[in-house]
Amino acid sequence: QSALTQPASVSGSPGQSITISCTGTSSDVGTYNYVSWYQQHPGKAPKLMIYDVTNRPSGVSNRFSGSKSGNTASLTISGLQAEDEGDYYCSSYTSRNTYVFGTGTTVTVL
Amino acid sequence: QVQLVESGGELVKPGGSLRLSCAASGFTFSDYYMSWMRQAPGKGLEWVSYISNNGHTIYYGDSVKGRFTISRDNAKNSLYLQMNNLRAEDTAVYYCARDGGAPGDVWGQGTTVTVSS
Repeated sequence: QSALTQPASVSGSPGQSITISCTGTSSDVGTYNYVSWYQQHPGKAPKLMIYDVTNRPSGVSNRFSGSKSGNTASLTISGLQAEDEGDYYCSSYTSRNTYVFGTGTTVTVL
Repeated sequence: QVQLVESGGELVKPGGSLRLSCAASGFTFSDYYMSWMRQAPGKGLEWVSYISNNGHTIYYGDSVKGRFTISRDNAKNSLYLQMNNLRAEDTAVYYCARDGGAPGDVWGQGTTVTVSS
């Protein structure tokens, strides 16, 4: 199972909006609405930010939103803040009853 | 509070075996699917395996199938990962994670496995 494809890095200025893409196939992202997004700060465990494409867990800022079109899912961070810097990973359920992560994206706040 | 604590990671030689444990607290362990994920040094996340709440449904990633075995003891609120025939590429931080709505709604702090001669 190949990893989902994400851009290596995305940057933006404080207050701006950025979008991270996550491209899979018809065997994962394209078929299942089980796409999740995780934020990871250096040396820390990942944190779930979005699940089932668009849902935010309790306690996650509404500046984070998710969407999906075809084989590509997206995470949008609006009103970018310094604390949003870190690595972001998408994940999808697959037709083999397994999960696959994305390649990861480093977000930099300029 | 909801907590997952992994243990068992250590330095092991190629071909060796290791058993990781994950102690859960603060929630009804037997209600949840559980997963193991890992992250090699400087690399991205990799899903390893998951097990259903009753232990009857289990799946593995291709890179560990046939070598790793996931199990759980609901009476002890514990998740396990038996790792056999370890390879250098299994070197990683291993995380246990709860599947509540999505895999990884709660993560442990991780335990480090190093495979080296």
